[in-house]
Amino acid sequence: SQTIHQWPATLVQPVGSPLSLECTVEGTSNPNLYWYRQAAGRGLQLLFYSVGIGQISSEVPQNLSASRPQDRQFILSSKKLLLSDSGFYLCAWGSGGGTDTQYFGPGTRLTVL
Amino acid sequence: AQSVTQPDIHITVSEGASLELRCNYSYGATPYLFWYVQSPGQGLQLLLKYFSGDTLVQGIKGFEAEFKRSQSSFNLRKPSVHWSDAAEYFCAVGALNNDMRFGAGTRLTVKP
Repeated sequence: SQTIHQWPATLVQPVGSPLSLECTVEGTSNPNLYWYRQAAGRGLQLLFYSVGIGQISSEVPQNLSASRPQDRQFILSSKKLLLSDSGFYLCAWGSGGGTDTQYFGPGTRLTVL
Repeated sequence: AQSVTQPDIHITVSEGASLELRCNYSYGATPYLFWYVQSPGQGLQLLLKYFSGDTLVQGIKGFEAEFKRSQSSFNLRKPSVHWSDAAEYFCAVGALNNDMRFGAGTRLTVKP
């Protein structure tokens, strides 16, 4: 069966520090991968999606970037965090694009102080 | 681009009472519609989805949703709510361009 992992689960970082969040998927090949951010009291905002290694689409211009160095690995990064980057970051995978079910990881709670 | 509106930010129901969570979507083509549930501090879990066919869709945990094209709605229902149903519920609409849009969510509180 497929599983999706995210780490770390919780992270507290100072403003201006770098960020690296990792997401890995097991049990499937060539998945579509997604990064979402969920701010307090708000819905999910799609940040990036990837349909293959090295292929990244950005939905929102911002302080973050994403990379997909391996088929089942998706990394969210920042060179310098802002206060507004605080939130709950969710990784998801799917097999059929925007019309198919997405399966979510447990999330990373990021607090920028 | 498609969009989703969940008009109710927070709903409180008594345990054993019926539940209906509202979802309205905007999309020019046939929508792919989803309901997800999120427990506190957790990821999202799929409850049910609609692509085509029967407009009444059954999901897990006793939930169902009805697609009404004329009203652009996909409301989620449950006949009898359990305390374990307390969570946040998200409606989503998907499109062929890898773009899935989520509503802002409805937080459900269940009173004993």
